[in-house]
Amino acid sequence: DAKTTQPTSMDCAEGRAANLPCNHSTISGNEYVYWYRQIHSQGPQYIIHGLKNNETNEMASLIITEDRKSSTLILPHATLRDTAVYYCIVTDASSGNTPLVFGKGTRLSVIA
Amino acid sequence: GAVVSQHPSRVICKSGTSVKIECRSLDFQATTMFWYRQFPKQSLMLMATSNEGSKATYEQGVEKDKFLINHASLTLSTLTVTSAHPEDSSFYICSARDKTRQFFGPGTRLTVL
Repeated sequence: DAKTTQPTSMDCAEGRAANLPCNHSTISGNEYVYWYRQIHSQGPQYIIHGLKNNETNEMASLIITEDRKSSTLILPHATLRDTAVYYCIVTDASSGNTPLVFGKGTRLSVIA
Repeated sequence: GAVVSQHPSRVICKSGTSVKIECRSLDFQATTMFWYRQFPKQSLMLMATSNEGSKATYEQGVEKDKFLINHASLTLSTLTVTSAHPEDSSFYICSARDKTRQFFGPGTRLTVL
């Protein structure tokens, strides 16, 4: 079972920041928060991951609450090409045999 | 990031035939690869975990005799759908892990007529 809860869908205006929330209230101490996205008919694409500190890379920022029970993925300037399903996944990254388990994700529509 | 390739990207076959899908990690070695299946408007469902040099581990409800997995080397895993039927039509996606992240192939769309 997926350990996360995400809104089913969200809209965002092109050029604005897209803030995608994720609840993971049962996260354990050794579990990381991963974000992937899937553009239609493609394989999932890695975006970012974190343990407890906020993270930023060229694609996005990840804000994790102090109690680690929720997080927010931020796309600072959304473009039409960011339209995709975004998956928040909690997993123990220390085990090489542990696969990612996907929930239903959030369908983000970026609107011109 | 690391690259995972799949071949073919799209295949159409007749009912009763077998189809092989290849998954390669192009710039890293993967002792473990994963196979997922995705039906229209649904999320990815894990089918099996493929371990180099040993038998694959299948998820509950996935028939190991129908979905044959061979992980022959550290860069190649294959999924063979045997005696395919229309209900096997789906989007099949493989994945491989390096030390910290899981990378996904572009997927193979299988259509069984």
